[in-house]
Amino acid sequence: QLVLTQSPSASASLGASVKLTCTLSSGHTDYAIAWHQQQPERGPRYLMKVNSDGSHTKGDGIPDRFSGSSSGAERYLTISSLQSEDEADYYCQTWGIGFHYVFGAGTKVTVL
Amino acid sequence: EVHLMESGGVVVQPGGSLRLSCAASGFSFDDYTIHWVRQVPGKGLEWVSLISWDGGTTYYADSVKGRFTISRDNIKSSLYLQMNSLRTEDTALYYCAKAGDKYATSINFDYWGQGTLVTVSS
Repeated sequence: QLVLTQSPSASASLGASVKLTCTLSSGHTDYAIAWHQQQPERGPRYLMKVNSDGSHTKGDGIPDRFSGSSSGAERYLTISSLQSEDEADYYCQTWGIGFHYVFGAGTKVTVL
Repeated sequence: EVHLMESGGVVVQPGGSLRLSCAASGFSFDDYTIHWVRQVPGKGLEWVSLISWDGGTTYYADSVKGRFTISRDNIKSSLYLQMNSLRTEDTALYYCAKAGDKYATSINFDYWGQGTLVTVSS
């Protein structure tokens, strides 16, 4: 079964970095994923697609502070130089065979 | 600039019907698969349905299959979701989302709307 696992929360100080993890379920460890940001009271915003080889493709206007990487079944989103507006929920998403679309449960990022 | 705007969300009684709309602009609407995704306030995202660029392929989550119907009007650059036999568990914000590549279904979403709230309650 295609499942994405995310930690419920993460926090870091203003100006620091935070690394979020999205883990693919067994049998699906070569899948690409996408990261989406959802600020409070707003619709989601696409950040980037991360491939199994670690390459990533960002969405329009996404700052360089956001980067993606990969290792085995894990896909990462790193936010550098954390700003107050980065306080949000971050969801990973993947897509499988037969029109199967899955989201992780989301990670709430708090900027201290 | 790509823009998606949902409308049509209201309060409706259980068993009732509702049609949501999504108006698109800023891209070649008829080249892209479009999705509906919903979110119970305070909870995570749940994929609901998709329709391919030409309307020839539609697909639904098991939770809405047989009750919801997705459609599109490429002349009007608009997407629709006909929701019948509504249940309290259908209460959510409903977003439309655009596929990340032309003529693709199995791909990430790259633009989202702001959502429209559907409340199913007696």
